[in-house]
Amino acid sequence: QKEVEQDPGPLSVPEGAIVSLNCTYSNSAFQYFMWYRQYSRKGPELLMYTYSSGNKEDGRFTAQVDKSSKYISLFIRDSQPSDSATYLCAMSDGNNRLAFGKGNQVVVIP
Amino acid sequence: NAGVTQTPKFQVLKTGQSMTLQCAQDMNHNSMYWYRQDPGMGLRLIYYSASEGTTDKGEVPNGYNVSRLNKREFSLRLESAAPSQTSVYFCASSEFGGANKNIQYFGAGTRLSVL
Repeated sequence: QKEVEQDPGPLSVPEGAIVSLNCTYSNSAFQYFMWYRQYSRKGPELLMYTYSSGNKEDGRFTAQVDKSSKYISLFIRDSQPSDSATYLCAMSDGNNRLAFGKGNQVVVIP
Repeated sequence: NAGVTQTPKFQVLKTGQSMTLQCAQDMNHNSMYWYRQDPGMGLRLIYYSASEGTTDKGEVPNGYNVSRLNKREFSLRLESAAPSQTSVYFCASSEFGGANKNIQYFGAGTRLSVL
């Protein structure tokens, strides 16, 4: 079993829809959870960073962590064509190394 | 503030040739990383350097060597390139300690083709 599982998609949604992405993981020691956004032919950039369980909101983006279920989610409200990218989840147990999901490609159709 | 800078952006090699990928960061980070990204495989860690003077193998180190030249620079060398090393290579850096130590910042990548 991979440490981090993420459905690669692609996920196509109409502009204005809510995008829902998720990752599951197997290592209960993970405490730090991140979502990176990667545009085509660019490097990943940090989108959201959360510690332990709970929700975090930043503008149109909401990250949720459920450690009891080993499940994290990213929601994008009022999606825009500029949100079209690959979204990677990443997590760490605090040892400076990250475990990444394979990435989920999102296409927002105008 | 450039963040993480990688050179070159593109490279084509013939099988057996050698080359060095360069990475520099200007964020005063202690830790630096080299990843490769392949379709369907995600990001895989090749080598990392937790601090200046130390390097450790990651998930896929075979065929690569690294040098932590100083705190700013971390290079990745392919001694004898193989077609299986065709990939996009990313360098990243992070703080060693503190609240944000797990956040990694990435460069724009080097696209390498080995023929």
